[in-house]
Amino acid sequence: KAGVTQTPRYLIKTRGQQVTLSCSPISGHRSVSWYQQTPGQGLQFLFEYFSETQRNKGNFPGRFSGRQFSNSRSEMNVSTLELGDSALYLCASSSGGLKETQYFGPGTRLLVL
Amino acid sequence: DQQVKQNSPSLSVQEGRISILNCDYTNSMFDYFLWYKKYPAEGPTFLISISSIKDKNEDGRFTVFLNKSAKHLSLHIVPSQPGDSAVYFCAASHTGTASKLTFGTGTRLQVTL
Repeated sequence: KAGVTQTPRYLIKTRGQQVTLSCSPISGHRSVSWYQQTPGQGLQFLFEYFSETQRNKGNFPGRFSGRQFSNSRSEMNVSTLELGDSALYLCASSSGGLKETQYFGPGTRLLVL
Repeated sequence: DQQVKQNSPSLSVQEGRISILNCDYTNSMFDYFLWYKKYPAEGPTFLISISSIKDKNEDGRFTVFLNKSAKHLSLHIVPSQPGDSAVYFCAASHTGTASKLTFGTGTRLQVTL
């Protein structure tokens, strides 16, 4: 089975712009979660989508949003970028059941200038 | 509020010896725990997990121990190999928000020859 894929792998934006990141889960997985990794805050949960609905949400401002399509692919959008949004954005997929392991993609490295 | 803590930022172990990585948590609702290994610029790779109904789980060279009364878990790697050198994260979740993983800050393991 192919693993979780994320595109693009690297991205450079300027403050005030918006960005869309994409994640394709492992085939058959219906849950996609997004995480932000920064040196100061570590790995933090953004949100999770299951069957096209947001099921869980972390403590991030409304500038961070996402969606999931019928084929389980997910996109994450960040509007009005700030310097502090520079981070590694990781997506993880699972079958969506309780106590199911999440498998991570390679991440998208976003740099905001 | 750091609900999952890894108090040792780094650990150095000789090849062939045992590596013990520790993790403490404060949220008594957590009932599922995982260990991930991460190389720079890559996504975390799942290693092993344990449910709160168990106190030990083994998979090859990796064993995870859970002490619920102490809210403590540990990962044992025996024998340690140079390829094990990476950052190790413990993560926790609870049934109510199963896909929301709360991560520790990570421990960098260096296995020396």
